[in-house]
Amino acid sequence: SSELTQDPTVSVALGQTVRITCQGDSLKSYYANWYQQKPGQAPVLVILGKNNRPSGIPDRFSASNSGKTASLTITGSQAEDEADYYCNSRDSSGYRLVFGGGTRLSVL
Amino acid sequence: QVQLVESGGGVVQPGRSLRLSCVASGFIFSSYGMHWVRQAPGKGLEWVAVIWFDGTNKYHADSVKGRFTISRDNSKNTLYLQMNSLRPEDTAVYYCARDSAPYYYGSGTPDYWGQGTLVTVSS
Repeated sequence: SSELTQDPTVSVALGQTVRITCQGDSLKSYYANWYQQKPGQAPVLVILGKNNRPSGIPDRFSASNSGKTASLTITGSQAEDEADYYCNSRDSSGYRLVFGGGTRLSVL
Repeated sequence: QVQLVESGGGVVQPGRSLRLSCVASGFIFSSYGMHWVRQAPGKGLEWVAVIWFDGTNKYHADSVKGRFTISRDNSKNTLYLQMNSLRPEDTAVYYCARDSAPYYYGSGTPDYWGQGTLVTVSS
């Protein structure tokens, strides 16, 4: 299996841009996907694959990839973006998935 | 709209078994792979298992391999997770989730998720 590493906490001022990163060997072969989870709720997919936003996800969410690092960028952070964010990808087997440990985003 | 409703959670003693179910609606269940993902209290997400849309292949996380088994009944639009030899560290909310790609011979990533069912393993 493989691991994905995320910073535990990140903060951003209201209206500013923030980048949340995810690192792991599997990201050299597979795109990361990104999820948002608010307290007491199920995760919501915000970025699928290279940089695809599911229907209903604001365009302030975007993704990028470089080597073993994937990034989720929120441009113009809103109060409602305060949440936990998780990356995932396939592991080295190609058939199992692995999640990062999650990043708690605080919007100040 | 896509709906996934899990059931079967509860309190169980270590070493015992439990079977979770997830009833799907709002999409063609037999066209999509399905996942189980769990989240221990106050912790992050942990992928548990996937089964392909036609049930031909299934894969489990190392942490549950040999104890848990994912299965599906496409005639009943239902996903299952049979959990045997439960341990206290299996305590978590278990989410059922649909794979993002239809008719995919592989493991994509979950897009729609249920609200989860809580499993507590304690004596």
